[in-house]
Amino acid sequence: DTGVSQDPRHKITKRGQNVTFRCDPISEHNRLYWYRQTLGQGPEFLTYFQNEAQLEKSRLLSDRFSAERPKGSFSTLEIQRTEQGDSAMYLCASSLAEGRAFFGQGTRLTVV
Amino acid sequence: SQKIEQNSEALNIQEGKTATLTCNYTNYSPAYLQWYRQDPGRGPVFLLLIRENEKEKRKERLKVTFDTTLKQSLFHITASQPADSATYLCASYNQGGKLIFGQGTELSVKP
Repeated sequence: DTGVSQDPRHKITKRGQNVTFRCDPISEHNRLYWYRQTLGQGPEFLTYFQNEAQLEKSRLLSDRFSAERPKGSFSTLEIQRTEQGDSAMYLCASSLAEGRAFFGQGTRLTVV
Repeated sequence: SQKIEQNSEALNIQEGKTATLTCNYTNYSPAYLQWYRQDPGRGPVFLLLIRENEKEKRKERLKVTFDTTLKQSLFHITASQPADSATYLCASYNQGGKLIFGQGTELSVKP
């Protein structure tokens, strides 16, 4: 069990650029979640996968956000045409069915 | 909509006292609730899970209760220490199967 890993840990990008984050879950976990967190707030649900199927995507997300989990292993979260309001910590977690979630260290995005 | 709410005001207590944090859920009935700890700049870490048929659960200095009538869970840290200072998050799977979180309560334990 190597835990959940996220890459990169920090990303600074200019407004309008595209960014992609990667998450490697615990290998036997079938569920993978993406959250966004801003200072003083709890994790805000973005989307989740069961194996390779994306089961739900938050209605709060614009079409600029997309996530994939090919072959039910690692996942990527892409944000197109970044805006300053996208600056946040992006957290990935994995679980076995509806069990306890294991989180990565997060990717902190700063849009300048 | 199905929600989890926590007291977003920071909780400041003296070392050695008991900290009590509150979690309320609305518009659904979770089979169990989870509590996580989050330190600044890090991802949340699982602490405890309590099922709806368990009134109380303990782990070392931690105690969690689940009241399905009040739709509430209480999280207690006894004999608190400065190292307990962190943000504590309540979470559960909603009826759609996604894991949702409250906004967290920041606890500060002063020596």
